[in-house]
Order: sequence, then C-alpha cells, then structure tokens
Amino acid sequence: GAVVSQHPSWVICKSGTSVKIECRSLDFQATTMFWYRQFPKQSLMLMATSNEGSKATYEQGVEKDKFLINHASLTLSTLTVTSAHPEDSSFYICSARDPGLIPFSEQFFGPGTRLTVL
Amino acid sequence: KNEVEQSPQNLTAQEGEFITINCSYSVGISALHWLQQHPGGGIVSLFMLSSGKKKHGRLIATINIQEKHSSLHITASHPRDSAVYICAVLGTSGSRLTFGEGTQLTVNP
Repeated sequence: GAVVSQHPSWVICKSGTSVKIECRSLDFQATTMFWYRQFPKQSLMLMATSNEGSKATYEQGVEKDKFLINHASLTLSTLTVTSAHPEDSSFYICSARDPGLIPFSEQFFGPGTRLTVL
Repeated sequence: KNEVEQSPQNLTAQEGEFITINCSYSVGISALHWLQQHPGGGIVSLFMLSSGKKKHGRLIATINIQEKHSSLHITASHPRDSAVYICAVLGTSGSRLTFGEGTQLTVNP
C-alpha cells in the first residue's frame, strides 16, 4: 500500500524559533498533499492543501505567514512553523493522494509530528 | 450540528465481542473513509467506500448512500483493536475530507 512518512516524529523547540516538518510519499508521486492539526481529544483540522509546483491553499483562520508550506517536488511537502509559540504545540499530520490509484481520491496519512514549544 | 456525527463516542468491550461504530453525515459525498488512530497518533486508512460493503479480515464497513449512514463492524474483537476510529467523508468536489469526532474503542482481555 501507499506509504507516507513524516520527519521528525517529535520535536521540542524554544519559543520564537522556527520548525520544519517534512512529509514524503515513499512509493508514489503525490500531486496533492494535505496538512492537518490535531489537539488532544479532538479530531483533525485541515490547515492547508498543498499542490506540487503552486501555492498552498489555506483554510480560513490559518495564518499563511506563520505556517509556510512548500511542495517543491512530487514526493515532498514541508510545513514550517515560523516563530513558534506555546499555542502552536500540537500534533501535525500530513496526508497525500496517489493519483495513480483508482479511485485516486483516497488519502494516505503520515505518522504525525508532535510539536512542543516551550 | 456537525456535518459528520459518530456514535458512540466511547465504547468498551470484552475480547471476542462484536462491535459496531456508526457514522451519519448530512452532506453530499463522493466517498467515505474509516480511519484508525492508535495512541501513538499515526492514522491508518481502513476503508474507503462509496457504496455497498467492504470486508478486510475481521473488519467490515457498510454504507447506505440514501440514508447517509455508514457502519464499521469488528468481529471477534481483540485488545489490539483498541484505538480511536474516525469516520471522514470526501465532499462531492472530491478534494477535502470532513472528519467525525472519533470513537474511542477499548477492548479488554
């Protein structure tokens, strides 16, 4: 089956620093990747849709200057949390669609990255 | 009212029991996902279906498009099935998922 990886799996950083999270599709090319955020005991919240070679589409209320998304290749999307603050502490999950599958709309999820900002 | 509602929110069962988790949605969809999230956080896609029924091992998923309802069944439940099960629907535009709140399943030995 399609595999999506994330790196790092967890990160602790100081307030004010920037953190980059990578999402990779390992055995397929993903033209579209999605970034989600999950708070404890809550469901996933879509932050943005990342399309290879173009600007990401952010959901309402998500600051695009704070959460920078780059999808420079068909197998890699990155999320950079800039000037992180404690309220950015959360579990960040990416997913990717394999356009080669039928139906291609199935999404495959990464293992998530737990960010703690001190 | 959420667009995707799951029931129950929490479910505790004894090993071997048959389990059903329900999902109702109020919007038009192109497909529905059942996802499993273990305590470590990683999410596994169990099923994606747009009609009828799918079976994989001890797991069965059904969907009734007219009634806007889906069920996930686990036969002969096992402690390793303990996880959060999430229903997510793919809108008719075919792009974004809308998630239910999840069902926390605990299977005791």
